[in-house]
Amino acid sequence: AQKVTQAQTEISVVEKEDVTLDCVYETRDTTYYLFWYKQPPSGELVFLIRRNSFDEQNEISGRYSWNFQKSTSSFNFTITASQVVDSAVYFCALRYAYEHGSGNTGKLIFGQGTTLQVKP
Amino acid sequence: AAGVIQSPRHLIKEKRETATLKCYPIPRHDTVYWYQQGPGQDPQFLISFYEKMQSDKGSIPDRFSAQQFSDYHSELNMSSLELGDSALYFCASSPGLGAGNEQFFGPGTRLTVL
Repeated sequence: AQKVTQAQTEISVVEKEDVTLDCVYETRDTTYYLFWYKQPPSGELVFLIRRNSFDEQNEISGRYSWNFQKSTSSFNFTITASQVVDSAVYFCALRYAYEHGSGNTGKLIFGQGTTLQVKP
Repeated sequence: AAGVIQSPRHLIKEKRETATLKCYPIPRHDTVYWYQQGPGQDPQFLISFYEKMQSDKGSIPDRFSAQQFSDYHSELNMSSLELGDSALYFCASSPGLGAGNEQFFGPGTRLTVL
């Protein structure tokens, strides 16, 4: 079964602290994609990053960085020097590769989300 | 750049009424996904369409139906509304079913059932 677990329900930090959001996934597929989305209080889903299962290279984008480890089925997200504007719900999601005839249709399976509160 | 358009953005209905949510995908995107996000919950997949045909179905109630039209826009029809249907409904579009294709989300329709 495909499953995404974000064990941290809520995290509260003070501005400028670093914070890591954990994501653990389960899948039997060898080809899949992992995503992180941000959902600010306004409600929209903002795409942050996509990684495929064959690319374990870590990625850094400004204050954001992602650590993908297939050995532990984890795809963790770190915000460095957090800011109040980072306050939001963050979702990790899994999407397995579409193969014609297999029934996979590319739907996203989301984790439960982690609410991050950054205090000034 | 054009984004996914959802209408209406907010909708208030009474129990047992019907509602229709509309989704206009990004031009040249032929795949549409619908997700439901209840309060404090993660988005849950409802249904998807590829080239105007249903491609997958999730935990969508029988009271709900959806279709994709010739211009690729999609509508989610909800009948006999219940209080539990109150949620944020997202539509996402994609240029095909390939998993490497990113899903672009619309701003969502917030449905409140009273």
